[in-house]
Amino acid sequence: KAGVTQTPRYLIKTRGQQVTLSCSPISGHRSVSWYQQTPGQGLQFLFEYFSETQRNKGNFPGRFSGRQFSNSRSEMNVSTLELGDSALYLCASSLATTSGRSEQYFGPGTRLTVT
Amino acid sequence: AQKITQTQPGMFVQEKEAVTLDCTYDTSDPSYGLFWYKQPSSGEMIFLIYQGSYDQQNATEGRYSLNFQKARKSANLVISASQLGDSAMYFCATRNEKLTFGTGTRLTIIP
Repeated sequence: KAGVTQTPRYLIKTRGQQVTLSCSPISGHRSVSWYQQTPGQGLQFLFEYFSETQRNKGNFPGRFSGRQFSNSRSEMNVSTLELGDSALYLCASSLATTSGRSEQYFGPGTRLTVT
Repeated sequence: AQKITQTQPGMFVQEKEAVTLDCTYDTSDPSYGLFWYKQPSSGEMIFLIYQGSYDQQNATEGRYSLNFQKARKSANLVISASQLGDSAMYFCATRNEKLTFGTGTRLTIIP
């Protein structure tokens, strides 16, 4: 069974631009979560989608948004990029929502650099 | 709110020795799950082991075992017979509605 895939793997953008990252979960997984990892803040939860609905949201500004499609694939968008948005963005999928036993399986991440 | 504390920013261990990575947590939830993930330099987070708060026995997965002490709110990861490929960042995490991660421990295995 194929794992979680994320595209693109690397991205360089300029301040003020916007970016869209994509995540395809493991087949059959309906929950997709997004995390931001930076050296200063560590791993922080962005949001979770389950069956096309946002179930949970972390403490990030409205510039960060996401959505999930009927095939469970998810995208996250960051508008008006800032230098501080440079990070590794990780997507994780699980069978059920993040409450409960179901562990999350992570993709390889998208490394975003904002110049 | 949930909080995970990993007090060892870095560790150096001789190959084939056992290693214990420390993790303490703080949660008010009566039921919770504890996870350990490994992150190699490639960036991908690899699930290692899970412990439920009501599980009677400590979890084990191959060379990985979890030393779960509920009263002390401690969930240390033990890696037996360490290998060079174990060199990576290790994160402890707990989950309510979302995963909350600790700051991680960078483990380096010395040949």
